Amino acid sequence: ETGVTQSPTHLIKTRGQQVTLRCSSQSGHNTVSWYQQALGQGPQFIFQYYREEENGRGNFPPRFSGLQFPNYSSELNVNALELDDSALYLCASSLEQGRRNEQFFGPGTRLTVL
Amino acid sequence: DAKTTQPTSMDCAEGRAANLPCNHSTISGNEYVYWYRQIHSQGPQYIIHGLKNNETNEMASLIITEDRKSSTLILPHATLRDTAVYYCIVRVRGLGNFNKFYFGSGTKLNVKP
Repeated sequence: ETGVTQSPTHLIKTRGQQVTLRCSSQSGHNTVSWYQQALGQGPQFIFQYYREEENGRGNFPPRFSGLQFPNYSSELNVNALELDDSALYLCASSLEQGRRNEQFFGPGTRLTVL
Repeated sequence: DAKTTQPTSMDCAEGRAANLPCNHSTISGNEYVYWYRQIHSQGPQYIIHGLKNNETNEMASLIITEDRKSSTLILPHATLRDTAVYYCIVRVRGLGNFNKFYFGSGTKLNVKP
């Protein structure tokens, strides 16, 4: 069973640029959630995708957008990058209506905006 | 919109029980409490979860007060490898299979020899 993977591991961008982060779900999982974790803080929910549609969103502006593909992998896109977007971005996959609704987290992508 | 509050840090002697408290006074009746831990900025790892009954698994025990406004995670015999940030989380269910995890700010547990 393959776990959740994310790419790239690290990324450096400058203000105003756009970035795409990728996530491969754990085998059999149909739901992906994305989180932003600033240094020293707990993860903050960005949005969730279930069967290729966004079905919930946190307090993030529209320049944060996403996609989920038929194989349940996912992308997080951030436009017009700001310095405060520097963070660890985590994706988590789950099988909705599973016994535990446990979210399995990937290792994260560390984004630095200069 | 934090739903949980936790102490910033705690120390525990190796081999002793670690008791990590969490307050979630605004929790609703159908919202679960989850605990995860995060080591060295890796992805958080699941520990345990519960609704209103106490729960135990191979890693830990979860004690939830009768009014559900607080809970305690217990690691029965802490080891040095248990040094991590422990997050108390409230899981909110919405429409259409929507599940949102509200993370607290976490407790840094330092297990000392």
